[in-house]
Amino acid sequence: EAGVAQSPRYKIIEKRQSVAFWCNPISGHATLYWYQQILGQGPKLLIQFQNNGVVDDSQLPKDRFSAERLKGVDSTLKIQPAKLEDSAVYLCASSPGQLNTGELFFGEGSRLTVL
Amino acid sequence: GDSVTQMEGPVTLSEEAFLTINCTYTATGYPSLFWYVQYPGEGLQLLLKATKADDKGSNKGFEATYRKETTSFHLEKGSVQVSDSAVYFCALLNSNSGYALNFGKGTSLLVTP
Repeated sequence: EAGVAQSPRYKIIEKRQSVAFWCNPISGHATLYWYQQILGQGPKLLIQFQNNGVVDDSQLPKDRFSAERLKGVDSTLKIQPAKLEDSAVYLCASSPGQLNTGELFFGEGSRLTVL
Repeated sequence: GDSVTQMEGPVTLSEEAFLTINCTYTATGYPSLFWYVQYPGEGLQLLLKATKADDKGSNKGFEATYRKETTSFHLEKGSVQVSDSAVYFCALLNSNSGYALNFGKGTSLLVTP
């Protein structure tokens, strides 16, 4: 079974530029998550989708971050304009059920460096 | 709000040593507790879980017991191997606070031959 796929693996941009990350979850998984992991900290949930609807985006900085999950499969996370403090690894995860049981399957992450 | 506190790392052990990584939590109600592991160059993966008080989760020789009286979920392994070198994250899931998995900061473990 293929795992969660993310791209790009690495991205370096200058502040005020924009960037987009893509995630393809495990086939059939209804729920998709984007986490931000800053160096030395644990992952922090940015947004959670159930199929193509948003379940929780309370910690998403909506003035600069946006995310969508069209057709309830792939998802894109965008940052525009980027700030220095956005340097982090962006993790995508998926889970099979409609309800989060805490058993998430993570991709390898996309590492963003903002200069 | 909910929070998870893990012991600071890095932890360095010799092969076959006993491992304990401390984890305590703050939450209302009855959260579920998890340990995730991140091996070098790989994504996070679930190691074990416990969903109610006194439950013991176990996997790959690792164990953790959900202690409500001490609000703890310490990770233990009797004899570590070099291949156990990784970052370990304690996490909780609390239906009282939505269904977001809340992670600790992680503890880096290095096992030397």
